[in-house]
Amino acid sequence: GQNIDQPTEMTATEGAIVQINCTYQTSGFNGLFWYQQHAGEAPTFLSYNVLDGLEEKGRFSSFLSRSKGYSYLLLKELQMKDSASYLCAVSDSNYQLIWGAGTKLIIKP
Amino acid sequence: GAVVSQHPSRVICKSGTSVKIECRSLDFQATTMFWYRQFPKQSLMLMATSNEGSKATYEQGVEKDKFLINHASLTLSTLTVTSAHPEDSSFYICSARDVAGGDTDTQYFGPGTRLTVL
Repeated sequence: GQNIDQPTEMTATEGAIVQINCTYQTSGFNGLFWYQQHAGEAPTFLSYNVLDGLEEKGRFSSFLSRSKGYSYLLLKELQMKDSASYLCAVSDSNYQLIWGAGTKLIIKP
Repeated sequence: GAVVSQHPSRVICKSGTSVKIECRSLDFQATTMFWYRQFPKQSLMLMATSNEGSKATYEQGVEKDKFLINHASLTLSTLTVTSAHPEDSSFYICSARDVAGGDTDTQYFGPGTRLTVL
């Protein structure tokens, strides 16, 4: 079956760095996405990785290792507004998105 | 770019009535749109994939006669919840995939519609 695993909840301190991991087992792979979702709102696109390596975009970076079925989202210089759920999703062989359950990130002052 | 709108943002209706939700891609064309449902504190659940000019593909367990989907143009898809019941109360979110997106089949989400059935 297809499976995406990510931690349910993480807590970090304002100004610090946090890494949210995602492991996946899917039928085929056409890229991995990270989305941010604030409570009561729809997800917003953060990053897309299809090749191994690190993609940096401002305070956010996303890493992919296809051989390990593993990705992480790195958030630097955390701000209170970064408190949200972070969803990992993999595009499978049919270009269907398989979603993780999301990681709720709590930022403390 | 890549803006998706949804209307209405919030709707309250009586049990037994039908509710139509519109999803529009404002600055790009989308041959494929997706409809999701999200219950509180849960992840997104794909309901159906909507392809312009053809019938929608529904996920297992989703009643196609209850959740009518129409994708009449490259920028508009509608979801109609027929004979709504309180258990249909949820957050309905659409997303659209940019035709010109190339290999990156990024989905861009609308702001969502919160449906409450009394």
